Amino acid sequence: DMKVTQMPRYLIKRMGENVLLECGQDMSHETMYWYRQDPGLGLQLIYISYDVDSNSEGDIPKGYRVSRKKREHFSLILDSAKTNQTSVYFCASSSGGLGTEVFFGKGTRLTVV
Amino acid sequence: QQKVQQSPESLSVPEGGMASLNCTSSDRNFQYFWWYRQHSGEGPKALMSIFSDGDKKEGRFTAHLNKASLHVSLHIRDSQPSDSALYFCAASESGYQNFYFGKGTSLTVIP
Repeated sequence: DMKVTQMPRYLIKRMGENVLLECGQDMSHETMYWYRQDPGLGLQLIYISYDVDSNSEGDIPKGYRVSRKKREHFSLILDSAKTNQTSVYFCASSSGGLGTEVFFGKGTRLTVV
Repeated sequence: QQKVQQSPESLSVPEGGMASLNCTSSDRNFQYFWWYRQHSGEGPKALMSIFSDGDKKEGRFTAHLNKASLHVSLHIRDSQPSDSALYFCAASESGYQNFYFGKGTSLTVIP
């Protein structure tokens, strides 16, 4: 069963706290992504990972960092969360071939208060 | 600057009607185009891809690509209430795995 799993689904954190969002995929995909979705802004790429320890910044990396130590697992870390990081975060994966489909998880709704 | 623009922002069609969604890009390097659909509370899910000029039909869905004008469209015939969702156009360049998404079109099918 092809699946991208995100944990947790909902999270409330106080400003200044550290946040860890976890993502796993069972398709052995090389490429994984972190996006955030805000109303009226669509999906914005935070980071892309081409394989273990091979990560690149996306369009909005400021305030975020990532970790990929296993091919099937990709983490997004917010050090000292800010209120403007309140958003829905999506993890995704693809086989990495040209133009191939991207599979998304169900998202994590993060609220920073 | 948004590399992928979608129109309209929102669209309402009666059940059984035709919905037409549009997407244009500003980057001539884009070679691969996808339409994704996102139901409320879910992640986006790929609907169909189109890489060559012309039409591609999959069931009730038809995508059209004109690379010269960098225009992609999606037409949904016999629209169903279950088609109510947010539709994203996504584009990527040859040799790159980064997909650029538009802001989306919210489709409501009225029973």
